[in-house]
Formats: sequence, structure tokens, C-alpha cells
Amino acid sequence: TQLLEQSPQFLSIQEGENLTVYCNSSSVFSSLQWYRQEPGEGPVLLVTVVTGGEVKKLKRLTFQFGDARKDSSLHITAAQPGDTGLYLCAGGNAGNMLTFGGGTRLMVKP
Amino acid sequence: NAGVTQTPKFRVLKTGQSMTLLCAQDMNHEYMYWYRQDPGMGLRLIHYSVGEGTTAKGEVPDGYNVSRLKKQNFLLGLESAAPSQTSVYFCASRRSGGIYEQYFGPGTRLTVT
Repeated sequence: TQLLEQSPQFLSIQEGENLTVYCNSSSVFSSLQWYRQEPGEGPVLLVTVVTGGEVKKLKRLTFQFGDARKDSSLHITAAQPGDTGLYLCAGGNAGNMLTFGGGTRLMVKP
Repeated sequence: NAGVTQTPKFRVLKTGQSMTLLCAQDMNHEYMYWYRQDPGMGLRLIHYSVGEGTTAKGEVPDGYNVSRLKKQNFLLGLESAAPSQTSVYFCASRRSGGIYEQYFGPGTRLTVT
């Protein structure tokens, strides 16, 4: 069974601070997706990374896939209250399924 | 374009009762999934389907059954509900092949007393 561990589980910060969320596994994944989920809704895809060492930027969010494709990170610069939510990483391999991490619940206070 | 819809949004069952959760998608996606979400455990795959008439087990299939009689619908059944099945259930769909985004429904909150 492939496992993805996310850290931290909870994060409460002030508006304007920077933060990094980590997603780690002992297994290799062919792709890594990050989703964001708001209360009462389903997750929504933020980004997909597929190449070891790949870095993608989405406005103030920077996503990185580890060189060995076993880990990933999400860095948010100058967090805003609108960034509040549950962030989920999900690893994919050949096949039709994703393995989800346990999630990081982020709260950004104004 | 409604995307992925789920029925019902909330349900309370007594132990031993049965129910069916309905998922519908209007994006002509081949693949459909049922997940459950529990605090601190992310999303765990219950069953999935790669096309009409096909189903397969995921990570936590015990106590659940599914059917995909029409391409746009994926049903999740609980034959004899147990308190351990109290959870939020999400349906998702995606295009076949490649690495594609999964589109999720809004979820069904189920409580079994």
C-alpha cells in the first residue's frame, strides 16, 4: 500500500506570512496533484506535477515535485484569508487511482 | 453544466438500515470514483469504475456495493449500515487515459446511529 503523509496537519497563521506544506512518501509516484477543499465542498485541483524536480507556480503558490518523485511541497507567499482551506496532495501511478494524503488544514487570520 | 452532483446531501440512518447514494456527471467522463473522507485521513477510495458496466474495489470496499448501469451515473449502496460508516462521501469523475483532473461532487454527509 502506498502512503502519503502530509505535514503539518494544522496550520494557523496571520495574513502576510509565508508557509510551506509537505507531502512525503517512501514510494515513487509518476505524478503528484494538489487539491484544495473548502468547507462543504469537494476538492478542486490546483496543480499536477509529473517530472522529478519540477516546479510550478500559481500566483502566490509554488509547487515542487522532489527529484526522486517521492515527495512534494506547497509554498504560499504572503498568505491571505482566501487561502484558508484543506490542502490535499494525491499521488498517481500507472492505473486509474490516486492515493491521497491526510491533508493540511490551513487557517489564515486577517 | 452541473458537473458532478450527489444525492442526498445529508442522511441519518439507524444501524442495519440500507440506502443508496447517487452520483451523476454530465461531462461524459469514463472514470468514476467513490471516496469517503474522515478527519485526518484524507480521502480513501471505496470503489471505482472505468466505464459503463464495470466496477472495481478500492482501498476500503467492505460494507459497500456499487453499480454503473449508465455512463453518467454511479451508485453507492450500503446494505446494512454500521456506525463505522459515518463519514462524508464524495463522488468524482475524470476523463480516461493520461493524468487528468478528478472532478468532485459536493459530498454527502452520512451519520449512522
